[in-house]
Amino acid sequence: AQSVTQLDSQVPVFEEAPVELRCNYSSSVSVYLFWYVQYPNQGLQLLLKYLSGSTLVKGINGFEAEFNKSQTSFHLRKPSVHISDTAEYFCAVRGKGNTPLVFGKGTRLSVIA
Amino acid sequence: DTAVSQTPKYLVTQMGNDKSIKCEQNLGHDTMYWYKQDSKKFLKIMFSYNNKELIINETVPNRFSPKSPDKAHLNLHINSLELGDSAVYFCASSLQGASNEKLFFGSGTQLSVL
Repeated sequence: AQSVTQLDSQVPVFEEAPVELRCNYSSSVSVYLFWYVQYPNQGLQLLLKYLSGSTLVKGINGFEAEFNKSQTSFHLRKPSVHISDTAEYFCAVRGKGNTPLVFGKGTRLSVIA
Repeated sequence: DTAVSQTPKYLVTQMGNDKSIKCEQNLGHDTMYWYKQDSKKFLKIMFSYNNKELIINETVPNRFSPKSPDKAHLNLHINSLELGDSAVYFCASSLQGASNEKLFFGSGTQLSVL
C-alpha cells in the first residue's frame, strides 16, 4: 500500500516570493506521483504528474516538482507566487495497475499581498 | 459542458434520512470514483467502478451504496445518515490505462447532517 505525508498543513508566503510545498511518500512498488490544487469551493485540478522519465516535471501555472527516489520525495515549487495561487494543494500517489489514488492531507498555501 | 457533474451541490438533511448524490461524466471514461473530504480537507477514496463493476471498496459503512447504471454514471446512496457523514463528497473519473493517468473531479457535494 502507498501513503503520502505532507509535512506542512499551512504555508503563508508573501506575493512574488518563492515557495516549496513538501511531500514524502512510502511505497514498496514503483509509483506515479501527482500534485492537485483545490481552489475554494471547487473540485481538484491536476497541476502536474510524474509517471516516468525526467525527474523534474513542469506543470500548469508555473509550478514544478522534482521526484527524488532516494529521499522518496516529490516537493512542489514555484519561484514567484501570486495571490491567485492561494489554494489547498494535495500530493497524491498511486501504484501501477488498478490501484486507487491516495492523497496526502493537503497544504493550505496562503499568499499575502 | 461540464466534464464531471454532481448534483446536488449542497445537501442539508436530518439524521436518519436517506439521500442520494448523482454523478455523471461526459468524457467517455470507463472508471469512476467517489472520494470523501472531511472537515480537515483529508481526501479518502470510498469506491471505484470500472465499466460498471465495483473494483475498489474501502472500509466504508454499508449504509453507503454506490450504483452505476452505466459507464457514465456513478450515484451514491446513503441510508440512515449520521452526523459523521457530514463532509464534501467528490466524484471523479478517469480512463483506465491512459498514459496521462489523470483524474477529473466534479465540483463536490457538501453534505450537512443536522
